[in-house]
Amino acid sequence: DAKTTQPNSMESNEEEPVHLPCNHSTISGTDYIHWYRQLPSQGPEYVIHGLTSNVNNRMASLAIAEDRKSSTLILHRATLRDAAVYYCIRTPSNTGNQFYFGTGTSLTVIP
Amino acid sequence: DAGVTQSPTHLIKTRGQQVTLRCSPKSGHDTVSWYQQALGQGPQFIFQYYEEEERQRGNFPDRFSGHQFPNYSSELNVNALLLGDSALYLCASSYGPGELFFGEGSRLTVL
Repeated sequence: DAKTTQPNSMESNEEEPVHLPCNHSTISGTDYIHWYRQLPSQGPEYVIHGLTSNVNNRMASLAIAEDRKSSTLILHRATLRDAAVYYCIRTPSNTGNQFYFGTGTSLTVIP
Repeated sequence: DAGVTQSPTHLIKTRGQQVTLRCSPKSGHDTVSWYQQALGQGPQFIFQYYEEEERQRGNFPDRFSGHQFPNYSSELNVNALLLGDSALYLCASSYGPGELFFGEGSRLTVL
């Protein structure tokens, strides 16, 4: 049971920022939010994760709402290589990394 | 440094047969997880192995079994294959509950 809701698909122009939303309204206080992405014909790869505060790394930023019921993955400048399915996953802190993926958001980047 | 490697990459079986899929984790990783990904769906958690024992299991029947060896490599076995077992089988490794690194998968077709 993924317990997150994401749009099925989104489009972005190349070199523009992309905001990928995720709803997790039933999240509990100790659940982490993880984002993975899956490029065509590849296994998923880690993007970013967070608990309460916003997080940044070289790939993306994660903005978590104050009530933690939603979050947004931000790609600052989309490239063609960012075209992938993006999965938002919530995990209780006591279950480690046994992830339950939903169907994700398929991102199309337009040149 | 080799990442997660899986074999075989593709295979075809008939209903009722048995299949064994293999996974070598990324160097330094001690935990192996297996996922099943049907076409157009997100990966579904099958089970996770740590210290040669199954630590947690998803909603899969007993026909799905696994093993982890002392060198941390792992096998996934599926008995009495059904048409619905046709999928991409993904192996992921991690160091304990850390970030998952996925292989490119084994594509199983059951005829």
